[in-house]
Amino acid sequence: EAQVTQNPRYLITVTGKKLTVTCSQNMNHEYMSWYRQDPGLGLRQIYYSMNVEVTDKGDVPEGYKVSRKEKRNFPLILESPSPNQTSLYFCASSLSPGGAGTDTQYFGPGTRLTVL
Amino acid sequence: AQSVSQHNHHVILSEAASLELGCNYSYGGTVNLFWYVQYPGQHLQLLLKYFSGDPLVKGIKGFEAEFIKSKFSFNLRKPSVQWSDTAEYFCAVNAHGTYKYIFGTGTRLKVLA
Repeated sequence: EAQVTQNPRYLITVTGKKLTVTCSQNMNHEYMSWYRQDPGLGLRQIYYSMNVEVTDKGDVPEGYKVSRKEKRNFPLILESPSPNQTSLYFCASSLSPGGAGTDTQYFGPGTRLTVL
Repeated sequence: AQSVSQHNHHVILSEAASLELGCNYSYGGTVNLFWYVQYPGQHLQLLLKYFSGDPLVKGIKGFEAEFIKSKFSFNLRKPSVQWSDTAEYFCAVNAHGTYKYIFGTGTRLKVLA
């Protein structure tokens, strides 16, 4: 089954304790992206990757890191989480990067992160 | 900078009522436009998208949207909603030649049976 998976689905942690949220897709998609969803703010793009080893900042990259060493994986790293990073995080992927004919983004199930 | 506005934050309708959700964007160039839906407890999924051509696009589950370039709008419509349409709806924009997506703040739709 074609899908985007995220782990963990739920995470409670404390300020300053490094964590990684994994994202994996089995559709051979080139484009992957991370979003955070907050009440009243909708989805905001954190980072995206156009292909292996190619990443760029979205609108809210502060406090996050990403890497794209393999096509299928796009982990989100919080080096020193803070309470304002408490949010619902979504990973997404699509076949081709942006531009005319942009493909549909497929979203993962989400990771609910609480930073105490 | 690009932005997307969804003016209706919460909408409550009775079954069989018609739906129109507003979406306006700010960007002077060519854009790709999307509507996504998030049913309670589920992933976001695509309802419909516009890249070029006919400005009236039809999506899944009887939804359609009309791109009006002069108004920078991409409103979502459905002639007769069902209880199962209860969900949160997001409009999104991607500017041609970029890899960034801007989402609106979402509209929560509740359909009363």
